[in-house]
Order: sequence, then structure tokens, then C-alpha cells
Amino acid sequence: DIQMTQSPSTLSASVGDRVTITCRASQSVSSWLAWYQQKPGKAPKLLIYKASTLESGVPSRFSGSGSGTEFTLTISSLQPDDFATYYCQQYSSYWTFGQGTKVEIK
Amino acid sequence: EVQLVESGGGLVQPGGSLRLSCAASGFIFSNYDMHWVRQATGKGLEWVSAIGTAGDTYYRGSVKGRFTISRENAKNSLYLQMNSLRAGDTAVYYCAGKPGYGYAFDIWGQGTMVTVSS
Repeated sequence: DIQMTQSPSTLSASVGDRVTITCRASQSVSSWLAWYQQKPGKAPKLLIYKASTLESGVPSRFSGSGSGTEFTLTISSLQPDDFATYYCQQYSSYWTFGQGTKVEIK
Repeated sequence: EVQLVESGGGLVQPGGSLRLSCAASGFIFSNYDMHWVRQATGKGLEWVSAIGTAGDTYYRGSVKGRFTISRENAKNSLYLQMNSLRAGDTAVYYCAGKPGYGYAFDIWGQGTMVTVSS
């Protein structure tokens, strides 16, 4: 099974900050990597797929990069609506989520 | 409006059974691979099961032999039959869809709560 590890688990930031979340896979997943945003009591929302492709309707301040085993999600300028938990997911072999990164207000 | 609506959750005793349903609307359901993903309270997302457009099925190890995923394209519906339920199966269960190979889960339902407790 492919394991996904995100870092950090929690991130404290202010509005306007540049934020980066890292996701590492236990083996290569090529570019089959997605990022989701989840707010309390709500379903996850797809932000990025194929490591760097922005889902339609997602603000351009979100970007993804990486391939193989190391990936990053970057929010270029954090907005109030962005405080949430973010998950990476590999879909190279079955489907596995990272443990999540909570972005909280500093 | 593109929508997935889950139903069928509830309280069940250990060893019991439950059948979850997911009703799809606003998109061509038969063209989508469909999944169940669960989330225990305060925990992360955990993939449970999938069914492809051709009816091929996949399960995580801990539910294999206990859960059965199925779909009925004529009714735009997805199902998850859960037998021999355990306390560790307690979670919100989401159905999610992806439009084929190479894509991620771009449609999600609102979730239905399953509680396994005596």
C-alpha cells in the first residue's frame, strides 16, 4: 500500500501569508496526486489534480507542484476563506489520503 | 445542479448490517467511477471502496468480505452494503465521483453518519 505523509500537521498563518504544504508518498505516484480542502462539517472540495492542474472555479492563488514522491500545495496569499484542513491524495495505485494539514489563524 | 445525496446511515449494533445509498443528479452518472470515503469524528479521510463504469469493484483491506459496493445506472444510484459492522466502522460516509481515468474526486455528497455501538 502507498502511504502519504503531509507536513506540517498544523500551520498557523495570517491573511496575506504565502503558505506551503508538503506531501510525500512512500513510493512514486508519478503525477497522480490531488489536493482537497475541507471545512468543518462539510465535504471535501477538489482543488488540484494531476499534481498541478487547477480544478475549474478554484482561485488562482492555489497552485500545486511536484512529481514522483514529493509534492507541494502553495497558497500565494492566504485569504480568510482559506482557513481549513487540506488533504493530499494519491490515485496511482488504489486511493490513499494524507493525514491532513490544518491551516489556522495565527 | 450537480449533486450527490447519501442516505441510510444510522445507529447499528456491532455485528449488524446497514445499506447506504447515494443518489446522483445533474451529470451522466454512468460515465463516472464512484467511490465511498469515510471520516471518523476528528480524523482524516479514508478511502473505503470503488466501482468503475464497467462494474469493476475495489475495497480497502479492512472491509473486504464485509462490504459490497454496487451501482444501478438506470436509477443513478450507488450503494454500499455493510455487514458484520464493527465499532471501527463508525464514521461519516461520503460518496464521491470521478469522471474517469486520470481524474480525481470532483463531486462529493454531504455525507451520512454511521454509528456502530451497543
